[in-house]
Amino acid sequence: GAGVSQSPSNKVTEKGKDVELRCDPISGHTALYWYRQRLGQGLEFLIYFQGNSAPDKSGLPSDRFSAERTGESVSTLTIQRTQQEDSAVYLCASSFTTPGTGGYTFGSGTRLTVV
Amino acid sequence: AQSVAQPEDQVNVAEGNPLTVKCTYSVSGNPYLFWYVQYPNRGLQFLLKYITGDNLVKGSYGFEAEFNKSQTSFHLKKPSALVSDSALYFCAVRDGDNQGGKLIFGQGTELSVKP
Repeated sequence: GAGVSQSPSNKVTEKGKDVELRCDPISGHTALYWYRQRLGQGLEFLIYFQGNSAPDKSGLPSDRFSAERTGESVSTLTIQRTQQEDSAVYLCASSFTTPGTGGYTFGSGTRLTVV
Repeated sequence: AQSVAQPEDQVNVAEGNPLTVKCTYSVSGNPYLFWYVQYPNRGLQFLLKYITGDNLVKGSYGFEAEFNKSQTSFHLKKPSALVSDSALYFCAVRDGDNQGGKLIFGQGTELSVKP
């Protein structure tokens, strides 16, 4: 597609439920990132996929968080047993291995609200 | 470990005056440096990047940034600020010597341009 697509754009869930967030990167982009942005704060790195290498999971805040990516296509971020502190905008970005003229391209994000 | 510091949470500038948003970084290899802008309720937009070459990089909307290796800085500048420049600005760094290097963001600086 023309850009990075994330779905859903908004998600309201009850505390304790599992949620799955989806990111569809730009075709051909080997690198894919997930970030979390809490209200009024910066971007917190969560996980990074680069081609077929093992993902860098160093930013995942707890074992309730996991992410998968099949090849160089869609990625899903799963949050199990959601807590109120998980409420944030979850941003996905993709790029070529070495970022080109446009750097990294971000999706519009999924706004997650845990009630 | 790599890191980015944006020492100012907020920068206030009068329209027509020059603006500077500060960024310093720490990375073990050669830095790839980026600036992104986030308008309210919008995704992140790429402004400019430094990979190699001239230390002064020109980007979108009249912004530029100067890479200073000795001071490990990459400050964002614009000669004449516009009210429409008011937004949240993020600096980011990646280790350019590491093909698998991840992109790390600063905490962001809120720029407010008053008429």
